[in-house]
Amino acid sequence: DGGITQSPKYLFRKEGQNVTLSCEQNLNHDAMYWYRQDPGQGLRLIYYSQIVNDFQKGDIAEGYSVSREKKESFPLTVTSAQKNPTAFYLCATRTSGGAAETQYFGPGTRLLVL
Amino acid sequence: AQSVTQLDSQVPVFEEAPVELRCNYSSSVSVYLFWYVQYPNQGLQLLLKYLSGSTLVKGINGFEAEFNKSQTSFHLRKPSVHISDTAEYFCAVSKFGNEKLTFGTGTRLTIIP
Repeated sequence: DGGITQSPKYLFRKEGQNVTLSCEQNLNHDAMYWYRQDPGQGLRLIYYSQIVNDFQKGDIAEGYSVSREKKESFPLTVTSAQKNPTAFYLCATRTSGGAAETQYFGPGTRLLVL
Repeated sequence: AQSVTQLDSQVPVFEEAPVELRCNYSSSVSVYLFWYVQYPNQGLQLLLKYLSGSTLVKGINGFEAEFNKSQTSFHLRKPSVHISDTAEYFCAVSKFGNEKLTFGTGTRLTIIP
């Protein structure tokens, strides 16, 4: 069954703690993305990766880190430097090549601060 | 840089009535345009997209959108809505050859029985 999986569905973070959100895909897409969603603000890009072992900062990268060691996986770490981490986090992948330029989204992880 | 404006943050509509959700974009170059739908606590699902060709694009669930280059708009329409259409709708734009999407702030569609 092809698709994008994100885990966990809900995640709780204590102050000063780093937490890692998982994103896995079996669509064989090269590009992967992380977005943050807050009420009334739409989606904002955190990081993206177009190829294994390479990634770029998005618009709100401060307080976050990523890695891309495998094509299938793009984990996001929310570090203690991110002072307002409570949000809904969405992972996406992108087809590429002319008329196929489209992003597809996972089910999301909701991060809450204790 | 491109930007997207969704003019209405909330749209209430009676069941079986028509609806139009408005989207305007700003870009100095040619663009791709997308509409996504998000049900509560879920990810985004692609409704339809305009990449090239016919300016009238048909999507899933009976939705359609029309690309208007002169007015830089990409409004979403449905002739008769159903309770199950209650969701948040996002318009998004990307430039040709650009790997990044820019999203609007969303329109919450509420269907009144």
